[in-house]
Amino acid sequence: AQTVTQSQPEMSVQEAETVTLSCTYDTSESDYYLFWYKQPPSRQMILVIRQEAYKQQNATENRFSVNFQKAAKSFSLKISDSQLGDAAMYFCAYKRGNAGNMLTFGGGTRLMVKP
Amino acid sequence: DAGVIQSPRHEVTEMGQEVTLRCKPISGHDYLFWYRQTMMRGLELLIYFNNNVPIDDSGMPEDRFSAKMPNASFSTLKIQPSEPRDSAVYFCASSLVGQGRSYTFGSGTRLTVV
Repeated sequence: AQTVTQSQPEMSVQEAETVTLSCTYDTSESDYYLFWYKQPPSRQMILVIRQEAYKQQNATENRFSVNFQKAAKSFSLKISDSQLGDAAMYFCAYKRGNAGNMLTFGGGTRLMVKP
Repeated sequence: DAGVIQSPRHEVTEMGQEVTLRCKPISGHDYLFWYRQTMMRGLELLIYFNNNVPIDDSGMPEDRFSAKMPNASFSTLKIQPSEPRDSAVYFCASSLVGQGRSYTFGSGTRLTVV
């Protein structure tokens, strides 16, 4: 069974600075996808970024980027120029590449942004 | 596109009562998922459907839980009888078949059983 681990229950960053959230996963599959979801106090789950395992290039979406280390099974999220609106719970998630299509979530990291 | 629509947004019910949560997926999406979020267990998959057919319900905690998808635009999750430990946020999500397609989540239903 696949597992996703987020070792940082809480993180704090100063506004305009950079923060990195960690995620590791365990799988025997070679074809899979990884995601970061943001859950603000409104509780809406919002997709931040996704990475296909077969791609070597790290995904980037504006201020958000990932460091995907396939051999180490590591998938960290870097948030640059942090903004107050980035404060939320962040969940790392894994999905197999076949039609199973289920998401397995990590336990989440609460990010606080200090003004 | 209105996104995935869940109702009600909040539900408070007494122990022993029947509770029905509703979900309207995005039009054209062929997968529908029900997740439950609690502090203790995080986000866990309860059941998912493909083309209205239940594929995997191994996450459904007990026989008190049931889910249906009578058509492509509607699904329900029912708890009967409800218990205080069922208190959680229940999310519905839908997606389109294809490698790597991400989910679209609804806003969730916060269920409180007293």
